[in-house]
Amino acid sequence: DIQMTQSPSSLSASVGDRVTITCQASQGISKYLNWYQQIPGKPPKLLISDVSNLKTGVPSRFSGSGSGTYFTFTISSLQPEDIATYYCQQYDNIPHSFGQGTKLEIK
Amino acid sequence: EVQLVQSGAEVKKPGESLKISCKGSGYSFTSYWIGWVRQIPGKGLDWMGIIYPGDSDTRYSPSFQGQVTISADNSINTAYLQWSTLEASDSAMFYCARSTGSSGSYYDYWGQGTLVTVSS
Repeated sequence: DIQMTQSPSSLSASVGDRVTITCQASQGISKYLNWYQQIPGKPPKLLISDVSNLKTGVPSRFSGSGSGTYFTFTISSLQPEDIATYYCQQYDNIPHSFGQGTKLEIK
Repeated sequence: EVQLVQSGAEVKKPGESLKISCKGSGYSFTSYWIGWVRQIPGKGLDWMGIIYPGDSDTRYSPSFQGQVTISADNSINTAYLQWSTLEASDSAMFYCARSTGSSGSYYDYWGQGTLVTVSS
């Protein structure tokens, strides 16, 4: 199985801050990397597919980059509604493993 | 509008069997994969497996292979996740999600989740 390691596991930031989450794969996964947002009590929501492809309707303050084994997810200016847990997921190999999640809180 | 609607919460006893469902609408059910994801309360997301209803191609995570069965009934656009013998450790929220690609890719639409509680 490919292991996905997210960092940090939790993060406290202020409104307007730039926030970056990293995701490292245990082996190369090319561009096969997604990012999801999960608000408590809700199912995950797809934000970004294929490393950097922002899904329709997702605010442009969200972005993704990277390749191979190292990937980043960035919120350019944190908003109160961004409070959630964020997950990366690889789909290069079955099982389509998730990172352990990054819980984002407002400072 | 694409929708995945899951069956309601279940409370079961250890040793019982269970089958939960995920009904797709608003798209061609046989042309997309349906995946299942477990979330233990307060924990992260665990990918369980995926099925392509078009030809019933099914792939499992090694962690769940032999523990659950994924199936689909194309006549009613519904995918299933079932257990033959539940254990307390099976208690969790289970999500279905739609995916595309040759063996799944991004998961763009999700069901609302089915909470399974296994307790004596």
